[in-house]
Amino acid sequence: DTEVTQTPKHLVMGMTNKKSLKCEQHMGHRAMYWYKQKAKKPPELMFVYSYEKLSINESVPSRFSPECPNSSLLNLHLHALQPEDSALYLCASSQRGQGNSPLHFGNGTRLTVT
Amino acid sequence: GEDVEQSLFLSVREGDSSVINCTYTDSSSTYLYWYKQEPGAGLQLLTYIFSNMDMKQDQRLTVLLNKKDKHLSLRIADTQTGDSAIYFCAESGSSNTGKLIFGQGTTLQVKP
Repeated sequence: DTEVTQTPKHLVMGMTNKKSLKCEQHMGHRAMYWYKQKAKKPPELMFVYSYEKLSINESVPSRFSPECPNSSLLNLHLHALQPEDSALYLCASSQRGQGNSPLHFGNGTRLTVT
Repeated sequence: GEDVEQSLFLSVREGDSSVINCTYTDSSSTYLYWYKQEPGAGLQLLTYIFSNMDMKQDQRLTVLLNKKDKHLSLRIADTQTGDSAIYFCAESGSSNTGKLIFGQGTTLQVKP
């Protein structure tokens, strides 16, 4: 069982749709992350929130818009995506946004863009 | 630069030991991690080792760290079919931002 919960598990959307991915953790962690993972590849970092402030944006296109309403919640708003954005989107959290704090991942949202 | 390398595939018989190897480049990494990913699932944190340790054991898992050679290994004793998965090695890197540098992942196949 994972302590980071992501919804929905699967999402199919057209290129003109707007949708949101949601992530929740109740471990009291103060850093939250969005990763993108293509099949048979390692996860790639997209965004890091530390103490509810965006601390890292890995040059992600603006069609992906993160939001951290509070320390337990992380959203990823999607708009005008491309088929190549189809991937597994993983949320993670850690006690602190530092290298000495292990990341705990959710089970991901499998996104298909048609 | 920061880079983590792993072999891509390992096949073992059920009951044997598995050893998955990883090399990294950033000697300033504070922690080194092993994650397991089963099909259709997220990444499960298996274990991690602090950079000033040589070894860590946790039930069937043994992590060995050779800092001089920047080599990390994960040994799984008495490998079971449920251990079949992709195993990712990751280092914390020098940026201290929580960004992990992942290897490409080793697919472990366990034959009955």
